[in-house]
Order: sequence, then C-alpha cells, then structure tokens
Amino acid sequence: GESVGLHLPTLSVQEGDNSIINCAYSNSASDYFIWYKQESGKGPQFIIDIRSNMDKRQGQRVTVLLNKTVKHLSLQIAATQPGDSAVYFCAEIVYSNDYKLSFGAGTTVTVRA
Amino acid sequence: GAVVSQHPSRVICKSGTSVKIECRSLDFQATTMFWYRQFPKKSLMLMATSNEGSKATYEQGVEKDKFLINHASLTLSTLTVTSAHPEDSSFYICSAREQGDYGYTFGSGTRLTVV
Repeated sequence: GESVGLHLPTLSVQEGDNSIINCAYSNSASDYFIWYKQESGKGPQFIIDIRSNMDKRQGQRVTVLLNKTVKHLSLQIAATQPGDSAVYFCAEIVYSNDYKLSFGAGTTVTVRA
Repeated sequence: GAVVSQHPSRVICKSGTSVKIECRSLDFQATTMFWYRQFPKKSLMLMATSNEGSKATYEQGVEKDKFLINHASLTLSTLTVTSAHPEDSSFYICSAREQGDYGYTFGSGTRLTVV
C-alpha cells in the first residue's frame, strides 16, 4: 500500500491568499521528498523537493516544510493564483530493488477568483 | 531542463487488440524508466521499473504478460498493453531518470480507452 498520504482531498482557496497542503508519510527511513503538481490530463510536474537533513526549503512562491518527528510534510503556496489550480501530490523515494517514487493520494486545489 | 516525450497522448482501441505507448527522453540518457497507471481522481500507481537492456521489474499484482515493457535504448521505453479490455482503460504515465540522478521527469501521459 501507499506509504505517503494526504490529510485533505480538496482545498478551496481565495485568489491571493496563501495555500497550505499537508502530507503524512509512514516510512521513517525516507530521506528525500518531492512535491508534484498535476493538471488535468497531464503528467506530474516537479515543484520542489527536500532532503531529510533539512526542515525547510524555499522556491519561487513555494515553501516545503518537513517535520521528521511527526513524519509530516507540507507545501505552502504564497499568493495563490488561478494557474495554481491542480492536484498536488507529495512523493517519497523508497528503495525496493531500485529507488522509486511512492505517491500520496493527492489534494485538489481550487482557486476562487 | 530534462524533457520526456510520451506518445500517443490519447488512444482508443477495440477489445482484444494491443496498444503500444512510447516514452522518450529527449535530452538525456534515461538508464531507468518507470511506468505508472492512474485512475480518475486517484494517485499514481507504479506498475513497473525498466532498466536499459534488462528485463523490467513489475510491482506486485501487475501482470507482466499483459503489460509488456521494453527498454531497448537509453532514450526509449515502450509499454504494450496486450489483448486490451475495457478494464485496462486508464491514464498511463511514464517517468525517466538519468543515471546517478535523483530527478524523475514525467511524460505527459496517455489516455487509453478500450471499447
């Protein structure tokens, strides 16, 4: 089964507000996590990643926070825009004969104008 | 940046026929490619891992005779859905990884509809 999951399946946010998407993982040995954005009918698009030796990483309008104590990952999107409407997945690298991505359930973000 | 091209983007086929999906890394050599399946409003489920020049490794529950994977070169992997049935209808996505890299680049996906 999936070792990475998400707390909320949907998130509705007002344009211009900040978005926070949460993710819980179960494999304490995981050392690399990635957030992906998937628009309808397309493949996942890399947003930001973080290694387990970090607790925070910032990109352009996005911040990923990692709390290894409670095995929790979050993605913060600043000043959410209509183009941010998509499904967001957290994923972790797991090793089983090879390094593979294990995806969480996904959160659908809808931006209200 | 790294680009993965997946073709076709959509395909409709009749039950009992086979369909081939191609995944190409355009500007890097992909020693490893991954194939995923995604049902509507669901997450990506890893089907198999393929390494160039060797047999694919299938995840538990995935029929290797049903989903044939070939990774004959460092830039091309193919997934063939054999004797397709309506329950094989799904969104199939490939991902490619360069040797020694942690980066996974995804293709744009293929929507397969079996009628």
